[in-house]
Amino acid sequence: EDQVTQSPEALRLQEGESSSLNCSYTVSGLRGLFWYRQDPGKGPEFLFTLYSAGEEKEKERLKATLTKKESFLHITAPKPEDSATYLCAVQAYNTDKLIFGTGTRLQVFP
Amino acid sequence: DTEVTQTPKHLVMGMTNKKSLKCEQHMGHRAMYWYKQKAKKPPELMFVYSYEKLSINESVPSRFSPECPNSSLLNLHLHALQPEDSALYLCASSQGQGAVEQYFGPGTRLTVT
Repeated sequence: EDQVTQSPEALRLQEGESSSLNCSYTVSGLRGLFWYRQDPGKGPEFLFTLYSAGEEKEKERLKATLTKKESFLHITAPKPEDSATYLCAVQAYNTDKLIFGTGTRLQVFP
Repeated sequence: DTEVTQTPKHLVMGMTNKKSLKCEQHMGHRAMYWYKQKAKKPPELMFVYSYEKLSINESVPSRFSPECPNSSLLNLHLHALQPEDSALYLCASSQGQGAVEQYFGPGTRLTVT
């Protein structure tokens, strides 16, 4: 069964304190792994797509990496505006369906 | 432009009402999706339209009825809902089949009284 597990559930950081979010996955043939950011009461905002192990993508203070079993979202020197829930999702071959993890709720304090 | 729009932003309806949620995208995407999201939970897929045809129906109760009038529009017709159907309803679109990212709209906050 395709499955995504994210950890930690919640993370509190001081502004400037770098950290990583984890996404472990089991999927019968990975077509793509996606990272989204979601603010309360709003729709998820697309961040990255990763396709194969070893791939990395960066956007401002965020860097996503992928191995055969997990993905990491590294946040470097976070700011309070980075506070949000970060969702990881995988897509298997032969389907349009995304399997979401339960998310990591990040709070960055000044 | 990666914008998906949804109307209304908020909706309160009684259990005997009929209402519709609307979604629109002008990115030329050929796949559109409806998701339901409860508080502190990830989005749950309800329906997928690919090239204006229903391709996935995740065993959603018949009180939810999707419609795709054309490649830019997606509706969700609601009838005889239950209080447990209260949630954030999200629309998304993507270029089509394959590992392409889905772009989400802001959602409609639905409350069933």
